[in-house]
Amino acid sequence: AQSVTQLGSHVSVSEGALVLLRCNYSSSVPPYLFWYVQYPNQGLQLLLKYTSAATLVKGINGFEAEFKKSETSFHLTKPSAHMSDAAEYFCAVTAAGNKLTFGGGTRVLVKP
Amino acid sequence: DVKVTQSSRYLVKRTGEKVFLECVQDMDHENMFWYRQDPGLGLRLIYFSYDVKMKEKGDIPEGYSVSREKKERFSLILESASTNQTSMYLCASSPQGQGASGANVLTFGAGSRLTVL
Repeated sequence: AQSVTQLGSHVSVSEGALVLLRCNYSSSVPPYLFWYVQYPNQGLQLLLKYTSAATLVKGINGFEAEFKKSETSFHLTKPSAHMSDAAEYFCAVTAAGNKLTFGGGTRVLVKP
Repeated sequence: DVKVTQSSRYLVKRTGEKVFLECVQDMDHENMFWYRQDPGLGLRLIYFSYDVKMKEKGDIPEGYSVSREKKERFSLILESASTNQTSMYLCASSPQGQGASGANVLTFGAGSRLTVL
């Protein structure tokens, strides 16, 4: 079985501050890991994915995530938040042959 | 540039009504999915299909059925809508490669928000 836990359903950051969204997973086999973003009134779109190549993965809009096997984590970061980063972010995990499992989501509010 | 289209953005239905949610993709993808999205619960898989006329149950199939008569179209059916099916429904598709999961990236539609009164 596989599961995903996102710590914090809401995160508030100031414009220009670090964005850190936490994701921990469980998987009995080496996983593939994803971060998706959902802007208001839109579907989800891919930010980045980890597929067992480099452990530090760079995505769109300045986001990156680091796969840490020892901590079973795949936290998402962005050095400097922008107002346009206000959205809901979903971490997801899958292993070969298994369905994609999503976390509960973290809604990011960016304060001017 | 629209790739996954959900026909209805907002629907309001009454308890007991039959509801159809339609999804069309223009990317020639083999795999198609229906999720429901609820606050704090993330996305939960209802059904998926990896070929025409093929379907598999996801994690929460109860109260739902699906139909895939053509490769580009995947319909979600609520035979008798209930208030606990009030939710946002998201359709997605992905190419064949590693089946219905693996490292395939999903392309999502904009969602259909269903309210059952």
